[in-house]
Amino acid sequence: RKEVEQDPGPFNVPEGATVAFNCTYSNSASQSFFWYRQDCRKEPKLLMSVYSSGNEDGRFTAQLNRASQYISLLIRDSKLSDSATYLCVVNQASNTGKLIFGQGTTLQVKP
Amino acid sequence: EAGVTQSPTHLIKTRGQQATLRCSPISGHTSVYWYQQALGLGLQFLLWYDEGEERNRGNFPPRFSGRQFPNYSSELNVNALELEDSALYLCASSLTLGANVLTFGAGSRLTVL
Repeated sequence: RKEVEQDPGPFNVPEGATVAFNCTYSNSASQSFFWYRQDCRKEPKLLMSVYSSGNEDGRFTAQLNRASQYISLLIRDSKLSDSATYLCVVNQASNTGKLIFGQGTTLQVKP
Repeated sequence: EAGVTQSPTHLIKTRGQQATLRCSPISGHTSVYWYQQALGLGLQFLLWYDEGEERNRGNFPPRFSGRQFPNYSSELNVNALELEDSALYLCASSLTLGANVLTFGAGSRLTVL
């Protein structure tokens, strides 16, 4: 079983749609969680951290379910510029310098 | 403020050769991380350097090595190159110890022929 699993997609949605991605992680002792965004042939960039209580940043909402070991990202009112690969990232233990990246979910927003 | 810079952007080598990739972290960041992103795979953790010391390494063979210099820049060396080493090598830096929020460079794309 992969340490972090994501549906690779692609998710093809029209502008204005709401889309949700899920991610599961295998290590129940994992400590912190993130969503990164990677545009085609570019470096990953932090989109948002994911907190136990859930958190929102504009059109983006992240949720963490520790009992079920999954993380979600909801994008409302999708824009063309949201087209990218979204990487689910887990820090299993502090002070290891190691983040575990999922393979990513590709989103294509169509006009 | 300059971000994380990496060089070269592209590198072509043949099997058995050695490759050296370089990284300069964001000013003030003491931790540097190296990741490999092979085609179709997620980012795989390679190495973590902080204050000139190797703090942790991922599940890669010893022919992957590196170092961090007193100015916190870093280099990654890959010896005895194999075809499957072809990948995008990403360097990242962080302000805090131990990698929570990473800022990545644009990467060095290594092609092994």
